Amino acid sequence: AQKVTQAQTEISVVEKEDVTLDCVYETRDTTYYLFWYKQPPSGELVFLIRRNSFDEQNEISGRYSWNFQKSTSSFNFTITASQVVDSAVYFCALNPRSSGSARQLTFGSGTQLTVLP
Amino acid sequence: EAGVTQSPTHLIKTRGQQATLRCSPISGHTSVYWYQQALGLGLQFLLWYDEGEERNRGNFPPRFSGRQFPNYSSELNVNALELEDSALYLCASSVYRDSYEQYFGPGTRLTVT
Repeated sequence: AQKVTQAQTEISVVEKEDVTLDCVYETRDTTYYLFWYKQPPSGELVFLIRRNSFDEQNEISGRYSWNFQKSTSSFNFTITASQVVDSAVYFCALNPRSSGSARQLTFGSGTQLTVLP
Repeated sequence: EAGVTQSPTHLIKTRGQQATLRCSPISGHTSVYWYQQALGLGLQFLLWYDEGEERNRGNFPPRFSGRQFPNYSSELNVNALELEDSALYLCASSVYRDSYEQYFGPGTRLTVT
């Protein structure tokens, strides 16, 4: 069984602060994908990143960066110089790659990020 | 390129009625997934369709069903609606069966009174 834990239910920061969203996962699969999605108030889930379990290289995309550490089963997401438009619920998700896997995403409970002006 | 579309945006039904939700995947995508996002329960996987067949379903009762049409669009049917079925229903699609990257639509907000 898969499990994704986002311990931070809500985070509030002031604009231009850096913020890190934590994600810890559990899986018995040796290969898997990890994802981050953003859900603004409109409700649509916006894909942010996919990380393959055998690629531990950190990734940076503009103000966003991701730190994947297989040893601690964590896939944390950092927003640098946060902006009001970053306010949303952020979900971490897991999808195993084993043969016969269900292709279903297992989501964490989400972290509500509020960026204050 | 058009994204995943869903209709209707909002749906209000009475307990015991049936609801039908529709989803059109991104052009070229053959897999469609349905998720339920209910208050307090988070995002839960409902169904996965690929090439017209149901490939997997989550831990939901049989009154949740659906189908995928030859043009890869999909329909989710919920029979004998219960109050706890009130939720945002999200549809996602992926490019082919082995792809793990799912792109989501805006969702249908179902309210059962």
